Amino acid sequence: DAKTTQPPSMDCAEGRAANLPCNHSTISGNEYVYWYRQIHSQGPQYIIHGLKNNETNEMASLIITEDRKSSTLILPHATLRDTAVYYCIAGGGSSNTGKLIFGQGTTLQVKP
Amino acid sequence: DTAVSQTPKYLVTQMGNDKSIKCEQNLGHDTMYWYKQDSKKFLKIMFSYNNKELIINETVPNRFSPKSPDKAHLNLHINSLELGDSAVYFCASSPRDRSIQWTFGSGTRLTVV
Repeated sequence: DAKTTQPPSMDCAEGRAANLPCNHSTISGNEYVYWYRQIHSQGPQYIIHGLKNNETNEMASLIITEDRKSSTLILPHATLRDTAVYYCIAGGGSSNTGKLIFGQGTTLQVKP
Repeated sequence: DTAVSQTPKYLVTQMGNDKSIKCEQNLGHDTMYWYKQDSKKFLKIMFSYNNKELIINETVPNRFSPKSPDKAHLNLHINSLELGDSAVYFCASSPRDRSIQWTFGSGTRLTVV
């Protein structure tokens, strides 16, 4: 799995968009970018994944740069319940090891 | 109708004891996992089972023994508990081996005193 780099922490005002960046400059052509989050005292929760194209679901949008070296997770209207640690993971594809390798993630604090 | 359920939620025990944590998923998934989250909040995989067969065994002391009686259950038995085993243990499942979308349980907080 490719290494990912995320800022350790970010703040966001409630109701505003939260944009969480992730660098994955060593990602290989068939590795996915996927995002999980862990709300305090809960298990990690799948959010979204993508390969090349931008993706949107009911939770978030994922914007992947054309060179695939970085991506941004967007929570369009952050609420207090979105306060969590967000993990960006690059892997899967033909080099899939069958593991999710979690880094330190970004702690997002949504403030009223 | 919890998708991945773990029991117990909290476990406090003395050093040297043997304990088990149970995990069940009702999603019809083929693959199940155990993860450990230590006090620094790092999540690390311990084991993975696919259709009752062990496929991933990370560098885990052999005091830890997973058992999968069927593909809906993956239990974790720990012998001779040590202080360093204190952590939160998460069970997870995925539709098949090497899937991207995993579902995690809510965790078991183990405290060894």
